[in-house]
Amino acid sequence: EIVLTQSPATLSLSPGERATLSCRASQSVSSYFAWYQQKPGQAPRLLIYDASNRATGIPARFSGSGSGTDFTLTISSLEPEDFAVYYCQQRSSWPPLTFGGGTKVEIK
Amino acid sequence: EVQMVESGGGLVQPGGSLRLSCAASGFTFSAYGMNWVRQSPGKGLEWFSYIGSTTSTIYYANSVKGRFTISRDNAKDSLYLQMNSLRDEDTAVYYCARSLSIAANYLDSWGQGTLVTVSS
Repeated sequence: EIVLTQSPATLSLSPGERATLSCRASQSVSSYFAWYQQKPGQAPRLLIYDASNRATGIPARFSGSGSGTDFTLTISSLEPEDFAVYYCQQRSSWPPLTFGGGTKVEIK
Repeated sequence: EVQMVESGGGLVQPGGSLRLSCAASGFTFSAYGMNWVRQSPGKGLEWFSYIGSTTSTIYYANSVKGRFTISRDNAKDSLYLQMNSLRDEDTAVYYCARSLSIAANYLDSWGQGTLVTVSS
């Protein structure tokens, strides 16, 4: 089973700042990698798939990069609605699909 | 609009059973693989089951294998989860989620979730 480790656990930033979230896989997942956003009381929402492709309707301020074992989600300028928990996910070797433990982006 | 609505959650005693349903609309349900994902209170996401569009492919995580059964009825645009021998650690919000495509199991649409509480 591929283990995904997200860092940091919590990111404290102000609106307008740039957010950089990381996820490391225990073995190479090529580019078979996704990012999700989850707000309190809501289901997760797919943001990025295949490491760098934005899902339908996702604003351009969200971007993904990386391949192999190291991946980054960048939010270029935080909007108030972006404060949430973000999860990474791999589909390279499944089952099982695996998720990271999450990074909470909170208002500083 | 793509929509999925889960139902069937509730309070059940350890060792008990429960059946969840997920009603889909706004897309051709029979063309998509479907998944169940759960989230324990205050915790992260755990994928635990997948069923292909034609039911020929089914996968389970080890944590539920032998206790849970995924199924679907394409004529009714519905996904199901039969949960038996429930344990305290099965307490979670249960989400159904659609696979982005046959070749790419990213979860592009999710239901709102249904809470299952296993407790005596």
